[in-house]
Formats: sequence, structure tokens, C-alpha cells
Amino acid sequence: AQTVTQSQPEMSVQEAETVTLSCTYDTSESDYYLFWYKQPPSRQMILVIRQEAYKQQNATENRFSVNFQKAAKSFSLKISDSQLGDAAMYFCAYLNNAGNMLTFGGGTRLMVKP
Amino acid sequence: DSGVTQTPKHLITATGQRVTLRCSPRSGDLSVYWYQQSLDQGLQFLIQYYNGEERAKGNILERFSAQQFPDLHSELNLSSLELGDSALYFCASSVAQGRTGISEQYFGPGTRLTVT
Repeated sequence: AQTVTQSQPEMSVQEAETVTLSCTYDTSESDYYLFWYKQPPSRQMILVIRQEAYKQQNATENRFSVNFQKAAKSFSLKISDSQLGDAAMYFCAYLNNAGNMLTFGGGTRLMVKP
Repeated sequence: DSGVTQTPKHLITATGQRVTLRCSPRSGDLSVYWYQQSLDQGLQFLIQYYNGEERAKGNILERFSAQQFPDLHSELNLSSLELGDSALYFCASSVAQGRTGISEQYFGPGTRLTVT
């Protein structure tokens, strides 16, 4: 079974600054997908970014980018130019090779200071 | 708005009762997934249906069951409810089964269940 670990329960960042959220995972599969989801106070789960394990290039979506280190089984999320609206819980998630089961980390609460 | 709808938004019921949560996937999505988010267990995968058939099971209790109907909406049935079943229940949908094509799962707003 796969496991996903987010070692930072809480992080804070100053508005306009950059912050990096960490995620590690454990798997015996060679092919899989990784995701970051954002959960604001509304509790809606919002997809932020995805990474295919077979791609060496790190995914980027506007101010959000990842650092995917397959050998180290690490998948961190970098948020640049942080905005107040970025304040939320962030969950790292692993999608198994069969593509049917998302395994989530415990989440990191991000606070953005004005 | 993800396009996935869930009803009801909130549900309060007593121990021992049975409830049904409903989910309508995004237009065109054939796969539906159910997740439970609780304070002590975090976010956990419960079950997946693809085009009416059960395809994967996670940590779903025997007291819980689900189905997907011909119009692709899905229902999660929770019976003999216990205090520990209080949680946020999410439905998600995706286009494909497995990893062919797009694999992102889009989540509905969730149903908050409180068991008293």
C-alpha cells in the first residue's frame, strides 16, 4: 500500500513571498500520478497541480510549481508571490497505477500574513 | 465550481439510523469515487464506480454501501450509524477508468454528516 507524508502541519508566509510545502511518499509502483489539492475554509477540494511520474519535467501552473524527485520519492509544492487567497489546507495525493485510488497526506495548513 | 454536485449539504441524524448521500458527476464523467474526511482518519478513499460497476474498494465499512445508477449518479448508503461516522463525505468524478486519458478527480462540495 502507498503512503503519503506531509511533515509540516502548519506553515506561514508573508504576502508576496514564496513558500514551499513538502511531501514524501512511499510506493513500489514505477508509474503513477501525484497531485496537490487545496482545501480552503469552504471545505471544497480544489485541484492545484498534477505530475505524471514518467515525466522528468516539473509541472507548473501559474504561481504554483512542483519539485518532483522520483528517486527520493519527494514531491514539494512551491507557491510564488503568495496571496491572501492562498491560505488553506494543502493536501498532497498519490494516484495509484490503476488510476482509481487517491491516497492523501495529512495536510499542511498554510497561513498568509498581510 | 467543479461541476460535481452533492446533496444534502448537511445532515444531522441519530445513532443507529440510516442515511443516503447523493452525488451527480460532471457531465461526461463515467467514474465516481467516494471519500471520507474525518478529524482522526484524515481523507480516506472508500469506493469507486465506473459506468455502473464497482471497480475499487478502500477502507469502506460493511455498514456502508454504494451504487451508481444508469444516469451515472451515485448514492452512498450509511447504516447503523455511530458517533464515529460523523465526517465530511466527498464525491469525486473523473472521465476515465484507470490511467487512460485524463485521471484528475474533481471533487464535489461534500456532505457534512453529524451523528448525535
